[in-house]
Amino acid sequence: AQSVTQLDSHVSVSEGTPVLLRCNYSSSYSPSLFWYVQHPNKGLQLLLKYTSAATLVKGINGFEAEFKKSETSFHLTKPSAHMSDAAEYFCVVLRGWGGNQFYFGTGTSLTVIP
Amino acid sequence: EPEVTQTPSHQVTQMGQEVILRCVPISNHLYFYWYRQILGQKVEFLVSFYNNEISEKSEIFDDQFSVERPDGSNFTLKIRSTKLEDSAMYFCAGTTGVGNTIYFGEGSWLTVV
Repeated sequence: AQSVTQLDSHVSVSEGTPVLLRCNYSSSYSPSLFWYVQHPNKGLQLLLKYTSAATLVKGINGFEAEFKKSETSFHLTKPSAHMSDAAEYFCVVLRGWGGNQFYFGTGTSLTVIP
Repeated sequence: EPEVTQTPSHQVTQMGQEVILRCVPISNHLYFYWYRQILGQKVEFLVSFYNNEISEKSEIFDDQFSVERPDGSNFTLKIRSTKLEDSAMYFCAGTTGVGNTIYFGEGSWLTVV
């Protein structure tokens, strides 16, 4: 079975400091993993995805994530937080072979303090 | 960049009324989905749709729910007799193929009173 666990429901950082949003996954197969962002009153926007190519994935707005199979992790990072990064972030795993369902984590709310 | 568009953005309806949520997917997408997010809870899968029929559905998607793509463009979710617990944000999504990136709309916020 596939699932994701987002270890922090809320993260608060100061503007200009690094961001780390943690995600652990469980999957029966080699997973496809995604990070989506949801700004207030907006839909879900794809930040980046991992689909068994390079383990370090670069996304939009300076975000990146590293797939670590040994740790079953796919943490999202950004070197320097911007006020506009304040949003809800979802780690998502795609159900594997023959399926096309996404399983969402419970989300991490990122607050950026000026 | 092409977008998935949803209407209405927000609807308030009385319990027991029928609601239709509409979605216009990206033109080259072949697989379509509805997800929902109850306030404060996880985003949940409802149904997937391919080749004009349901391919998968969750336990949430009971007989009160239906989907169709009547004109090859709009993809609709109908709730026949709404309940209070149907209040949620409903997201439409689409993709070109299994395993490819799924693109979400901005959501339709349904409030049942």
